[in-house]
Amino acid sequence: DAKTTQPTSMDCAEGRAANLPCNHSTISGNEYVYWYRQIHSQGPQYIIHGLKNNETNEMASLIITEDRKSSTLILPHATLRDTAVYYCIVRDPLGIQGAQKLVFGQGTRLTINP
Amino acid sequence: DAGVIQSPRHEVTEMGQEVTLRCKPISGHDYLFWYRQTMMRGLELLIYFNNNVPIDDSGMPEDRFSAKMPNASFSTLKIQPSEPRDSAVYFCASSRDRKAFFGQGTRLTVV
Repeated sequence: DAKTTQPTSMDCAEGRAANLPCNHSTISGNEYVYWYRQIHSQGPQYIIHGLKNNETNEMASLIITEDRKSSTLILPHATLRDTAVYYCIVRDPLGIQGAQKLVFGQGTRLTINP
Repeated sequence: DAGVIQSPRHEVTEMGQEVTLRCKPISGHDYLFWYRQTMMRGLELLIYFNNNVPIDDSGMPEDRFSAKMPNASFSTLKIQPSEPRDSAVYFCASSRDRKAFFGQGTRLTVV
């Protein structure tokens, strides 16, 4: 699996956009970038994923650089409920069985301040 | 769909006892994952299955841990005998295609 690097922690003011970076310089051509978050005491929650194009859903936007070596998760209007640990993961969801596993790093602890 | 269902939500047991954690994946999902989470080690992948067959159990810490998936709608993770260092939150997740969904976890305390 390609390794990812994320800042340990970040702060953001409520109502502002939260931009969470992730480096994945060894990502292979078939690997997608996934983002999950874990709110205290809950199971990880899927947010968004992408291969090379920017993606947007009701929760967030994902911006992937052209060389695919880094990406940014954007929460456009952060609320207090967005306080969580955010994980960036690379994975080949359509590859061989061994490539399917979802391996979590330490993630970024995002704190939304009132 | 009710999502991934784990039971029990909390388990307190004495050292040396057998513990069985249960998971019902989302219907139609063909991958099932077991994770363990502690403050020290974060989220660790223990084992995962594809179509009920174990694919990678390299994360299982030792022989005291075993996992089974007898059918597409049920999996168990068993610890025998349990030890205090097994205290953690255990998550089950299931996946089909590109997204994985997690249960709420079982908080295990071994005293």
